[in-house]
Amino acid sequence: EIVLTQSPGTLSLSPGERATLSCRTSQSVGSSYLAWYQQKPGQAPRLLIYGASSRATGIPDRFSGSGSGTDFTLTISRLEPEDFAVYFCQHFDHLPLLTFGGGTKVEIK
Amino acid sequence: QVQLQESGPGLVKPSETLSLTCTVSGGSISSSYYYWGWIRQPPGKGLEWIGSFYYSGIMYYNPSLKSRVTIYADTSKNQFSLRLNSVTAADTAVYYCARRHGTTVVTWGQGILVTVSS
Repeated sequence: EIVLTQSPGTLSLSPGERATLSCRTSQSVGSSYLAWYQQKPGQAPRLLIYGASSRATGIPDRFSGSGSGTDFTLTISRLEPEDFAVYFCQHFDHLPLLTFGGGTKVEIK
Repeated sequence: QVQLQESGPGLVKPSETLSLTCTVSGGSISSSYYYWGWIRQPPGKGLEWIGSFYYSGIMYYNPSLKSRVTIYADTSKNQFSLRLNSVTAADTAVYYCARRHGTTVVTWGQGILVTVSS
């Protein structure tokens, strides 16, 4: 089973700042199988990025994904008030089909 | 627009069976493009995939839960259900029903909190 490790656990930033979130996989994975989700308190996760770098429908272009192999990054270029949330990376593979990272909380500094 | 809605008891006793239903609107669980399933999230923790099915009847379960889980579909009602046997406090979580397309979850239900307690 591939393990996804997200860092940092918590990121304290101010609106307007740049956020850089990391997701490392325990072995090399194909970029097509890596996604990112945003989750706000009391809500279900929302798909942000699929295929490591493609934005889902309706996602603002301040969100971008990159990476390959074992290192993947979600970048929020300029934090808006609504971006303070928890972010999860997710990998699709042989059973278990879906695995998630532990999450990074982006909080207001 | 496809919407998913979970329903079921919010409280289950230890050793009993957790049963939840997901009602799908705006789309059919018999669609050939999507997989349907369940994901859970213990309070304050991360996400765990439970299992999925395809319209053809193929079922996939997380190996860590496979011995206790059953997912089944009722196409006449456009619903699918989750049964988790022999629950313990560790099964306390928000349970989401979900629709997967390809490698990602594209639609989530709002989630339902199920607490395992006597």
